[in-house]
Amino acid sequence: DVKVTQSSRYLVKRTGEKVFLECVQDMDHENMFWYRQDPGLGLRLIYFSYDVKMKEKGDIPEGYSVSREKKERFSLILESASTNQTSMYLCASTGGRLWETQYFGPGTRLLVL
Amino acid sequence: QKEVEQNSGPLSVPEGAIASLNCTYSDRVSQSFFWYRQYSGKSPELIMSIYSNGDKEDGRFTAQLNKASQYVSLLIRDSQPSDSATYLCAVNTGNQFYFGTGTSLTVIP
Repeated sequence: DVKVTQSSRYLVKRTGEKVFLECVQDMDHENMFWYRQDPGLGLRLIYFSYDVKMKEKGDIPEGYSVSREKKERFSLILESASTNQTSMYLCASTGGRLWETQYFGPGTRLLVL
Repeated sequence: QKEVEQNSGPLSVPEGAIASLNCTYSDRVSQSFFWYRQYSGKSPELIMSIYSNGDKEDGRFTAQLNKASQYVSLLIRDSQPSDSATYLCAVNTGNQFYFGTGTSLTVIP
């Protein structure tokens, strides 16, 4: 079974803090993704990566950056957290073709005060 | 126009009935189609994928795809209270993966 884990289930941060969200998958998948999910807006793609050290912007990359130093780990960084970044953050991975069945981690619910 | 559209619901059905969830998509070159189930506060989990026109059955779930009409549906037979969740439709266009906003389903005991 594919296993995708995320470093925290719940996180509370202050405005202006730098926030790190970590995602690890154990299936040797090439492709990893970060989404945020908000009521009424659905899942929106922030960034994705198709290889180590490779990254591509998704639909809403502003205010975020990512890092992929190892194949199994994909980090999302909020450079200076703002209240409008309060959301559920979901990491996903796929093997083989980039846009194939996505397997999700449990999610991190982030609250920025 | 959104890439993937779903009726947000809520959809309520009595236990044992058939629940029908619908999804339309805008990109004609879409290649593969997925249904995810998401319980409140949890992450999406894959229920089914479908790649060609017609029906695909897996237990109580049947996915139906009609590429000419750009329409994909999910039928849940013998609905159970444990099926109460939000169902997300997702579409692979070959260079992007789009999700609908989901349909909320409640199965009433």
